[in-house]
Amino acid sequence: EVQLVESGGGLVQPGGSLRLSCAASGFSFSSYEINWVRQAPGKGLEWVSYISTSGTIMNYADSVKGRLTISRDNAKNSLYLQMNSLRAEDTAIYYCTRAGLSTYTFDIWGQGTMVTVSS
Amino acid sequence: QSALTQPASVSGSPGQSITISCTGTSSDVGSYNLVSWYQQYPGKAPKLMIYDDSKWPSGVSNRFSGSKSGNTASLTISGLQAEDEADYYCCSYAGSNSWIFGGGTKLTVL
Repeated sequence: EVQLVESGGGLVQPGGSLRLSCAASGFSFSSYEINWVRQAPGKGLEWVSYISTSGTIMNYADSVKGRLTISRDNAKNSLYLQMNSLRAEDTAIYYCTRAGLSTYTFDIWGQGTMVTVSS
Repeated sequence: QSALTQPASVSGSPGQSITISCTGTSSDVGSYNLVSWYQQYPGKAPKLMIYDDSKWPSGVSNRFSGSKSGNTASLTISGLQAEDEADYYCCSYAGSNSWIFGGGTKLTVL
């Protein structure tokens, strides 16, 4: 079964750090570009970050640039999101999504992991 | 960059057709044939329903169809069913490995 499973979410204080992970299975992870998309409580979806198949090209939404870092380990079929200098507005469910079908489409989504930034 | 514009809510009766619009700019929706649509039930992850403006992923009902004209994309659901009640989001590629989502539309089946 094609699957993405996120982990690492939790409660963190403003200014703190957190590292999210996303484990892939059921497909050739190294062949797909991957993105992080988040959803604040009761709000819509927001694209957060992109990483190429080799991990050499990354991009970020302006709202997180300089604070969040995306990376991947193709040998471990895993994607990561290092989150630093967290703010209350980063509180959201974070989904990892596979860019499949066309490389501009999010065809497979994980179940999400909740990040809460609060004192 | 502001979110794509979608109506906050739409409604329809079983068997009817509804259309959800998604308006962007010439830098996103109008520049690429890369609008996708996602269905989301409460507490669940989004599900891809339409990609590349009007293509169906395997397993998605052909009651769902996508189209685009200029800077506005549309999702039409025909033969509305109770199970279609959900939130729907459009998304457009915006160039340079970035994407932009719409604010979401809550579909109510009366």
